[in-house]
Amino acid sequence: DAKTTQPNSMESNEEEPVHLPCNHSTISGTDYIHWYRQLPSQGPEYVIHGLTSNVNNRMASLAIAEDRKSSTLILHRATLRDAAVYYCILREIQGAQKLVFGQGTRLTINP
Amino acid sequence: GAVVSQHPSWVICKSGTSVKIECRSLDFQATTMFWYRQFPKQSLMLMATSNEGSKATYEQGVEKDKFLINHASLTLSTLTVTSAHPEDSSFYICSAPRTSTNEKLFFGSGTQLSVL
Repeated sequence: DAKTTQPNSMESNEEEPVHLPCNHSTISGTDYIHWYRQLPSQGPEYVIHGLTSNVNNRMASLAIAEDRKSSTLILHRATLRDAAVYYCILREIQGAQKLVFGQGTRLTINP
Repeated sequence: GAVVSQHPSWVICKSGTSVKIECRSLDFQATTMFWYRQFPKQSLMLMATSNEGSKATYEQGVEKDKFLINHASLTLSTLTVTSAHPEDSSFYICSAPRTSTNEKLFFGSGTQLSVL
């Protein structure tokens, strides 16, 4: 599975936008970019995913670089409930569809 | 939306006993489910892929005789930790895709296992 690199931790303030970066320089043409987050003592929760174009949903936006070697998860207006570990994961289009988690970014939101 | 239910949420057992954890897809059928374990302050580690009606596929380094996986129906997969020891204490999480396409995975709420 292709590897992703994320900062270990980030901090932001409530009601401000948050940009969470992810590098995936070895991404292949058949890899989707997935983002999940995990709140304390819970299972991960799907946030968003994309292939080439930028994506928006009610939770966040995903900006994908033109060469697809990096992406950014954007939380437009962070709340205290967004404090979690955010995982950027590459997932093959075909095959076992399993998710292999990296270390993720621990996001702290200050009130 | 689709939900994956995992039970129990937490369990405490004595060393040497076996513990079974259930993972159910509540409103969809899952031919495949995934089992993870997570130690404190660490990321999730994929243990195995559970396949309905066939043997599970284990990741390298995971003992299949230690962690028994059964996927007897399209909505239920179980993980049994056999002869549990304190080092098996961990947070176990299951997940399932709703469709065969590259869509999101749904995760259970996890099971905290403590072996005394």
